[in-house]
Amino acid sequence: DAGITQSPRHKVTETGTPVTLRCHQTENHRYMYWYRQDPGHGLRLIHYSYGVKDTDKGEVSDGYSVSRSKTEDFLLTLESATSSQTSVYFCALGSSGEQYFGPGTRLTVT
Amino acid sequence: AQSVAQPEDQVNVAEGNPLTVKCTYSVSGNPYLFWYVQYPNRGLQFLLKYITGDNLVKGSYGFEAEFNKSQTSFHLKKPSALVSDSALYFCSNTDKLIFGTGTRLQVFP
Repeated sequence: DAGITQSPRHKVTETGTPVTLRCHQTENHRYMYWYRQDPGHGLRLIHYSYGVKDTDKGEVSDGYSVSRSKTEDFLLTLESATSSQTSVYFCALGSSGEQYFGPGTRLTVT
Repeated sequence: AQSVAQPEDQVNVAEGNPLTVKCTYSVSGNPYLFWYVQYPNRGLQFLLKYITGDNLVKGSYGFEAEFNKSQTSFHLKKPSALVSDSALYFCSNTDKLIFGTGTRLQVFP
């Protein structure tokens, strides 16, 4: 987890509220990713970024948006949280196919 | 569609015995394949990868994996399991940004 931090680590929120998760890196990696982890589904890609202001959608992007205004920060926003977005969210950095993961954020939407 | 499959949700093995965690793939082009391990309340950690070359790949913590093109498999192996190997293991093709559903390995003393 060295060089990658996620905040908050745990969050409980109510349905309909906006939520922003932050990923911060000190590795100067160009590529950053957001995944969600759910039992029976493994990891699924939400969005990724290939540079400042350059982002693209992943497999499960509906209901999520991202922003990357500087190399070290990649933000994931749930505009209006739903119970189906209760999950563990991981940020990752990429290099030659290998990825390095942050410690995760456990989000509960009640 | 491209995919990576892990057919076993859980694998149980006694300490000291060999272990195998299975992975099969269906990807176009060259299959860049990876194994990751996840310990409780942690992010995934890279174990090993196959890009090209020798079909037997050695990685961290004594793990190895065998790439088999004819069987489209990339099984993770270790000759002698440790209790500390108990964790969740993911096969992936991170070149295509796809992961398997994970296999929980339980090593019993």
